[in-house]
Amino acid sequence: DAKTTQPNSMESNEEEPVHLPCNHSTISGTDYIHWYRQLPSQGPEYVIHGLTSNVNNRMASLAIAEDRKSSTLILHRATLRDAAVYYCILSRKTSYDKVIFGPGTSLSVIP
Amino acid sequence: DAGVIQSPRHEVTEMGQEVTLRCKPISGHNSLFWYRQTMMRGLELLIYFNNNVPIDDSGMPEDRFSAKMPNASFSTLKIQPSEPRDSAVYFCASSLSSGGAYNEQFFGPGTRLTVL
Repeated sequence: DAKTTQPNSMESNEEEPVHLPCNHSTISGTDYIHWYRQLPSQGPEYVIHGLTSNVNNRMASLAIAEDRKSSTLILHRATLRDAAVYYCILSRKTSYDKVIFGPGTSLSVIP
Repeated sequence: DAGVIQSPRHEVTEMGQEVTLRCKPISGHNSLFWYRQTMMRGLELLIYFNNNVPIDDSGMPEDRFSAKMPNASFSTLKIQPSEPRDSAVYFCASSLSSGGAYNEQFFGPGTRLTVL
């Protein structure tokens, strides 16, 4: 599976937007881009995924670069509950939904 | 729906003992995943099943680890004999794989294993 690169940690003020970057320069045409997050003492939870176009859901937005070599997870208004480790993951289209987790970005939200 | 159910939630055992972790996936899901999480190594995929058949067990660390899925509603991960370095949080996840389109994984609360 292709590799992703994320900052180790980020900080955000509460109620402000957060942009979490992810680089994936070796992405292939059949790779989905996924984001999961893990709140303290919990299992990971799905946030969003996309292939080529930008995606929006109730939790976040995913902006994908035109060359697909990078993407950004956007939390429109950070809350204290959004403090978590955010994982950017690539997986092949026909891989039984398999994902391989990297170290992720630890997001702190400051009140 | 109750979500993915794992038991026990906590397990403390002594080195050399057999440990069995259990997982009940979400009803109707056909893919099941076992992960291990430690501070040093992060979240590691150990093995995953599709329609009760093991697809990839390349993440299983040693022969001491084995996993089974006898039916669509139950899976076990067994460690025999256990060692202190097996101490970790073990997560089970399930998804409804539809072949081609991606479907999110739903994770259980995890089992925290401590081997003394």
